[in-house]
Amino acid sequence: QKEVEQNSGPLSVPEGAIASLNCTYSDRGSQSFFWYRQYSGKSPELIMSIYSNGDKEDGRFTAQLNKASQYVSLLIRDSQPSDSATYLCAERGSAGNMLTFGGGTRLMVKP
Amino acid sequence: SAVISQKPSRDICQRGTSLTIQCQVDSQVTMMFWYRQQPGQSLTLIATANQGSEATYESGFVIDKFPISRPNLTFSTLTVSNMSPEDSSIYLCSVAGGGSYNEQFFGPGTRLTVL
Repeated sequence: QKEVEQNSGPLSVPEGAIASLNCTYSDRGSQSFFWYRQYSGKSPELIMSIYSNGDKEDGRFTAQLNKASQYVSLLIRDSQPSDSATYLCAERGSAGNMLTFGGGTRLMVKP
Repeated sequence: SAVISQKPSRDICQRGTSLTIQCQVDSQVTMMFWYRQQPGQSLTLIATANQGSEATYESGFVIDKFPISRPNLTFSTLTVSNMSPEDSSIYLCSVAGGGSYNEQFFGPGTRLTVL
């Protein structure tokens, strides 16, 4: 049974700080990893994809992948109140296109 | 990314009835999926909607309860049959295909309440 684990939070950070969201996964065959942002009452929105070990940056977002340690993280620099949402980590294994989601981390950015 | 729409956006239904949810994409896509998100929970894959063949269901989900159609590469339906209050959830379709990582993108969801 593949598992993706996230701290449910809430993670509270002040405006302008760096928010660090973490995710661990059990399937060593996992190939691709995704971070989705979900505002309350809305559907998940893809914000980052990462495939290779190391860092991938896109604007204020940096995804980090460490396959040896089986964790993936998302850093949000200069956090804004509009970043307050639930962040879902998902992985896709080597077989098929099925995504397995973590439980999500609720982020609160306080002005 | 593709533009995905779902109908209805929300519904309130009586126990024992069925509801069909539609998912329409503005371009042809290879893969379409149906997920459920129960209140306060994360997403769980119900099935992969296959064009021209039966859907592939995940453990815990069966065709009699969640029949799925995929008549072409832009459209799919999910029916929630013989509903009970435990079926109250958000139902989401997603599509994949074309990106470097075959990313999945979600429709706006259908919020279902069963009384």
